[in-house]
Amino acid sequence: QSVLTQPPSASGTPGQKVSISCSGSSSNIGRNTVNWFHHLPGTAPKLLIYTNNQRPSGVPDRFSGSKSGTSASLAISGLQSEDEADYYCASWDDSLNGWVFGGGTKLTVL
Amino acid sequence: QVQLQQSGPGLVKPSQTLSLTCAISGDSVSSNSAAWNWIRVSPSRGLEWLGRTYYRSKWSTNYALSVRSRITISPDTSKNQFSLHLKSVTPEDTAIYYCARTPATGSIDCWGQGTLVTVSS
Repeated sequence: QSVLTQPPSASGTPGQKVSISCSGSSSNIGRNTVNWFHHLPGTAPKLLIYTNNQRPSGVPDRFSGSKSGTSASLAISGLQSEDEADYYCASWDDSLNGWVFGGGTKLTVL
Repeated sequence: QVQLQQSGPGLVKPSQTLSLTCAISGDSVSSNSAAWNWIRVSPSRGLEWLGRTYYRSKWSTNYALSVRSRITISPDTSKNQFSLHLKSVTPEDTAIYYCARTPATGSIDCWGQGTLVTVSS
């Protein structure tokens, strides 16, 4: 059972916009920033969004993040087939004194 | 450019100790602004943070509750690396293990290549 809650799956067609939610609590998202990761099985996770809405160099501006209260969201616009992957949110938890992750959302591009 | 290179066995017997090492290039394990993490991923549990070590005038560690009684993460400043030791493993500990860096921005921005560790007799 993950501390952060994500939908297990999401889908969209090429060119569409999809959003993935991440729900937490006052001890994690409510107090700290949110990160999003892209993960393909067999490869290392890749940082997509940090500090709620910042993109590392090289991440396309099709990816955007937002946070409100104890929830966050990742939006992917102009969906492409190569976006098919697992997406995880993460935040520091002050009560657990450690990183907590969502359970992951499997994105399918139809 | 920071790079993390993992090493260690891919097969561990039940009840034994899983040991992995992460060699750092492009940064220092003794950095006053970074932290050094171990994270694992499995189909049943997704991404799971195991713990970290960091230096802020002295060395500190934090461990996940789920493994706190079995885990040790330790730095080796002479080799600029850090290690994971997880004792009394069971098949539930079978996963891909990653080392990763937390920079000053507070994210997790750099990952090792991953090591598939299978716990089996």
